[in-house]
Amino acid sequence: QKEVEQDPGPLSVPEGAIVSLNCTYSNSAFQYFMWYRQYSRKGPELLMYTYSSGNKEDGRFTAQVDKSSKYISLFIRDSQPSDSATYLCAMRKSGGSYIPTFGRGTSLIVHP
Amino acid sequence: EPEVTQTPSHQVTQMGQEVILRCVPISNHLYFYWYRQILGQKVEFLVSFYNNEISEKSEIFDDQFSVERPDGSNFTLKIRSTKLEDSAMYFCASSEAGLDIQYFGAGTRLSVL
Repeated sequence: QKEVEQDPGPLSVPEGAIVSLNCTYSNSAFQYFMWYRQYSRKGPELLMYTYSSGNKEDGRFTAQVDKSSKYISLFIRDSQPSDSATYLCAMRKSGGSYIPTFGRGTSLIVHP
Repeated sequence: EPEVTQTPSHQVTQMGQEVILRCVPISNHLYFYWYRQILGQKVEFLVSFYNNEISEKSEIFDDQFSVERPDGSNFTLKIRSTKLEDSAMYFCASSEAGLDIQYFGAGTRLSVL
């Protein structure tokens, strides 16, 4: 089993839809969870950064972590065509190596 | 807003040649990283660098790779003898401290022919 699993998509939604992006993981030592947005041929850009379980909201974005299920989600409300990108989840442990482990990324297409 | 800058944006080289990828991290950051992303695959960690030495490296970072901070602003990745499978996007990142958020550059696309 891979450490971090993420459906590559593509996920295609109409403008204004609520988008749900998800990752599962196998290593219970992961404590910090991140979501990055990556436009084509660009570097990952950090969107959300959370510690342990719970929800965190920032504008149209909500990150949710369920450590008991080893499942994290990113919700995008009122999606816009400019949200079309690949969304990468990443996670790391709280001690030892601080290098994040990335998922493959989910390609999101928001069409007008 | 401060950003990580990478040059060149695209590098084409012949197999067996040496390449140097350059990065200017955010100025007050102390930790520097290289990652690579083969087309269609996930971002993979190569190496981290702190206090003028490698702090961590992955199994990908073998003897053909080296990193250097030749002056106070640049951070470089050298690939001594490129292989076809080295073709990928290479991302530099930096952070204020080891546990802090990493900020990525736009990447250098390396094409080995």
